[in-house]
Amino acid sequence: GQQLNQSPQSMFIQEGEDVSMNCTSSSIFNTWLWYKQDPGEGPVLLIALYKAGELTSNGRLTAQFGITRKDSFLNISASIPSDVGIYFCAGQLGRGASGSRLTFGEGTQLTVNP
Amino acid sequence: NAGVMQNPRHLVRRRGQEARLRCSPMKGHSHVYWYRQLPEEGLKFMVYLQKENIIDESGMPKERFSAEFPKEGPSILRIQQVVRGDSAAYFCASSILTSAETQYFGPGTRLLVL
Repeated sequence: GQQLNQSPQSMFIQEGEDVSMNCTSSSIFNTWLWYKQDPGEGPVLLIALYKAGELTSNGRLTAQFGITRKDSFLNISASIPSDVGIYFCAGQLGRGASGSRLTFGEGTQLTVNP
Repeated sequence: NAGVMQNPRHLVRRRGQEARLRCSPMKGHSHVYWYRQLPEEGLKFMVYLQKENIIDESGMPKERFSAEFPKEGPSILRIQQVVRGDSAAYFCASSILTSAETQYFGPGTRLLVL
């Protein structure tokens, strides 16, 4: 089946620093998404990307859909303490019998030191 | 406008017992997805249902696991004869369409098998 490799697994940064994380896939996706999960909660959607090469921003967050459709990255600028959490990438094929399912990466644990 | 609701939030079972996890989708949503998250891992797709129909169950274990989404009432994920390896967080997502950005996640049920 499809797999997503997400890196880094964890990051420890100082408040105010920029952060970058990425995901690569063994096969293509037609939609890429980035989620944040807080302890004891479900994932919350941050950004959705629909076209190869697309660059989308949401406040301090910027994400890009790779041209090959096999990768994506997420940048967080000027990090703040509330950015702490686990960030997941996810891909959706969008067609076929299994097209609706989301395939998730393993997550990046972000720690921000004040 | 209530979000996706899951209950119970925490469930403790002894080996061999049955676990029933409930998911009430957002109002107006007729698509339900179940995902499982093992500790320090990403979410793994299990099953996708519409009202009274299983659309994609390719992520469900072949034995002991079943899911339903009746015409009335919540979606149920049922695990028979639980084993310790079933301990995980189980998340439900619902959507009004099949596109990825419309899948909203519930807070999850944490299952612990003793």
